[in-house]
Amino acid sequence: QAGLTQPPSVSKGLRQTATLTCTGNSNNVGTEGATWLQQHQGHPPKLLFYRDIYGPPSGISERFSASRSGNTASLTITGLQPEDEADYYCSAWDSSLSAWVFGGGTKVTVL
Amino acid sequence: EVHLVESGGGLVQPGGSLRLSCEASGFTFSSHWMDWVRQAPGKGLEWVGNINRDGSVKHYVDSVKGRFTISRDNAKNSLYLQMNSLRVEDTAVYYCARDYGDWGQGALVTVSS
Repeated sequence: QAGLTQPPSVSKGLRQTATLTCTGNSNNVGTEGATWLQQHQGHPPKLLFYRDIYGPPSGISERFSASRSGNTASLTITGLQPEDEADYYCSAWDSSLSAWVFGGGTKVTVL
Repeated sequence: EVHLVESGGGLVQPGGSLRLSCEASGFTFSSHWMDWVRQAPGKGLEWVGNINRDGSVKHYVDSVKGRFTISRDNAKNSLYLQMNSLRVEDTAVYYCARDYGDWGQGALVTVSS
């Protein structure tokens, strides 16, 4: 099952802004929206945004925001902090596959 | 507070079987779809499958269709993943998740001879 496309890594300086992208197609991201997850090494994932709209949950910084244009979703992290270093995954329900598909993940490094 | 606790992981030989359980608490289990997601060592997340509220609808990723079966027991607030004909490439940490918002700590399944 074809997955979503994410850049493998993004590196930005402390307090800078990082924008992560997630590209799918009209059967998944384009119609169902993207779900974003954050995963620190050795821990389960944490939900940031569910299907574009819902989030961030309580306890997640408001420095995170999500948006979408067509088949590409974006996660923006403003004012990068050391604790933002993590892997970020996007996922979307694919209506043609009747399956959730994931991107390969983006590793964010805060310089 | 929502808790999801996986159990049943371990070492199994190729071709063998294993059954994972996920015990849920802190929410109305029968009101939610539930998912299984796995992560091979050093790799990304992969959705395995999900099940609807009453267990009548199930979806699976192609690579496990015909080998894995998801079920649930709402009276016991429990989710299950029966894994048969296991392959080396099924080696992963298996997470149960509720609406992707709540996750268990994961159960490690190692398929090796």
